[in-house]
Amino acid sequence: GDSVTQMEGPVTLSEEAFLTINCTYTATGYPSLFWYVQYPGEGLQLLLKATKADDKGSNKGFEATYRKETTSFHLEKGSVQVSDSAVYFCALSDGERVQKLVFGQGTRLTINP
Amino acid sequence: NAGVTQTPKFRILKIGQSMTLQCTQDMNHNYMYWYRQDPGMGLKLIYYSVGAGITDKGEVPNGYNVSRSTTEDFPLRLELAAPSQTSVYFCASSYSGGTYEQYFGPGTRLTVT
Repeated sequence: GDSVTQMEGPVTLSEEAFLTINCTYTATGYPSLFWYVQYPGEGLQLLLKATKADDKGSNKGFEATYRKETTSFHLEKGSVQVSDSAVYFCALSDGERVQKLVFGQGTRLTINP
Repeated sequence: NAGVTQTPKFRILKIGQSMTLQCTQDMNHNYMYWYRQDPGMGLKLIYYSVGAGITDKGEVPNGYNVSRSTTEDFPLRLELAAPSQTSVYFCASSYSGGTYEQYFGPGTRLTVT
């Protein structure tokens, strides 16, 4: 079945550091790919998405490019802030009518001032 | 506009007890979902609904039941609680399927002892 693998956490960085969180997937067909973020005490929120190969999703300074050849969707940000501290989830959806999300295990990110 | 609300926030159940997790959305979304998140794992889909009166199983439906009598509400019923159902439960909704964003509630943390 479909699956998503994220880099192990937790990840701790200093403010203004460069961030990469790796995400690879296994899927039949051509899935859509998502990054969701969960801030402390809140539900998950969509951060960005890409629906076909070579698409780049971007939001709030974060970017991720859908790489079909390497089955990857790595999340990057050039300069992180303390407010970016959260848990990040990579997910895919292979359904057309119903969006049945398959999630990675999540990566906890802590940014120190 | 409250979005997706879930009650209760926390609950402790004894083995064999039953309970209903409540989920309500005020965005007039047709699609609603229940997920569970075990420690260190990604979210897994329990049940989903594409409209009032229509529900279907996700990846891990055993031990749960749902109903969807209105567009707004999508309660999740646990019958005969077991320790394996200790988890954090998230409800989500979306306007439609495909790549539409799913909006998540803040979660219910359930412990079965």
